[in-house]
Amino acid sequence: AQSVSQHNHHVILSEAASLELGCNYSYGGTVNLFWYVQYPGQHLQLLLKYFSGDPLVKGIKGFEAEFIKSKFSFNLRKPSVQWSDTAEYFCAVIVTGGFKTIFGAGTRLFVKA
Amino acid sequence: DTAVSQTPKYLVTQMGNDKSIKCEQNLGHDTMYWYKQDSKKFLKIMFSYNNKELIINETVPNRFSPKSPDKAHLNLHINSLELGDSAVYFCASSATGQGGYTFGSGTRLTVV
Repeated sequence: AQSVSQHNHHVILSEAASLELGCNYSYGGTVNLFWYVQYPGQHLQLLLKYFSGDPLVKGIKGFEAEFIKSKFSFNLRKPSVQWSDTAEYFCAVIVTGGFKTIFGAGTRLFVKA
Repeated sequence: DTAVSQTPKYLVTQMGNDKSIKCEQNLGHDTMYWYKQDSKKFLKIMFSYNNKELIINETVPNRFSPKSPDKAHLNLHINSLELGDSAVYFCASSATGQGGYTFGSGTRLTVV
């Protein structure tokens, strides 16, 4: 069965610090990968997605993620975080052509102003 | 224009009651989902419908019954509510095989 692991449950950064959130998945076949963000009290929104092609994917709000197939990883990065990036971040995976997306447990990011 | 709309946004009810949550999407997607988010923010899929057919039915108590009258609507009915049902329930939709979801704003259910 597929699973998704997010290594950091809580991350605290100061504004302008660089961010990297780890995500690993377990599945041997072809997958589509996603990062979602959930701002306090709000619903999940899609940040970026990888289906195929260039493994470095750029999303909204300056976020990017890199798919490393050999490591089954899809880490999220941002060079300089802002206070408004305070949110919960979820990595997710779906088998290509499948219906069930599996979400990681989430990483809560708090950015100090 | 809200893409995926859920009602109600908040629901406070007593144990033992029956309640429904409604979801509608205007994106033309053919797959809809119900997810449950617990107090630790963990997201667990409950059900999925593709073109009105149930395709995912996770281990969920049979007090929970989804209904999809058409591919733009997916409702969730819960019988005999229990304290442990308290959570935020999210509806989502996607195009088949795409996986990228559009989520509704969630329904915060509190059972007292």
